[in-house]
Amino acid sequence: GQQVMQIPQYQHVQEGEDFTTYCNSSTTLSNIQWYKQRPGGHPVFLIQLVKSGEVKKQKRLTFQFGEAKKNSSLHITATQTTDVGTYFCAVLVADSGGSNYKLTFGKGTLLTVNP
Amino acid sequence: DADVTQTPRNRITKTGKRIMLECSQTKGHDRMYWYRQDPGLGLRLIYYSFDVKDINKGEISDGYSVSRQAQAKFSLSLESAIPNQTALYFCATSDLQIGDPRGTDTQYFGPGTRLTVL
Repeated sequence: GQQVMQIPQYQHVQEGEDFTTYCNSSTTLSNIQWYKQRPGGHPVFLIQLVKSGEVKKQKRLTFQFGEAKKNSSLHITATQTTDVGTYFCAVLVADSGGSNYKLTFGKGTLLTVNP
Repeated sequence: DADVTQTPRNRITKTGKRIMLECSQTKGHDRMYWYRQDPGLGLRLIYYSFDVKDINKGEISDGYSVSRQAQAKFSLSLESAIPNQTALYFCATSDLQIGDPRGTDTQYFGPGTRLTVL
């Protein structure tokens, strides 16, 4: 089945430094979603990207979808302690019958921020 | 998300016991999912249901069973719990319609159940 590779698995930064996590696929994606899970919490939807080369921003977070729709990145500018958590990408894939679709998650990047 | 609730929130049990985790949602979504989360392994899909009459195995269904009692309820059972089933379990719902490839399948997660099997 379709797999998404997410890197890095862990990232520790000093507060104020930038952070980027990447998701890569060997096949063309129809779309990609990003979720954030705070420590002790549950994953929460952040954003969806659909178009080739799409860039979306949410305050200090910048999401990009590659031109070939095979990769995506989440970049955080000037990290804060509130950014701590695990960031997951997720892609929509067809099930074995090919008529229905479900989400498949990457393994996530755990971000820790040193104040 | 308060629209998706899970009970219990924490459970400690012994090897061999039967355990049921319950999930309820008020979002009116047809699709419901059970995931398991272990450190470094991300979210792994156990079972999913596209509607009340539809149940599908995920990537790690062995040792688990599910029941979709109603649109709003989806329960996960461990027939005979074993220690390597110790994990954090999440229920989720999504708004994707059956057969509609245009939807986003954005998922709304419950707060999770932390299960420990001794």
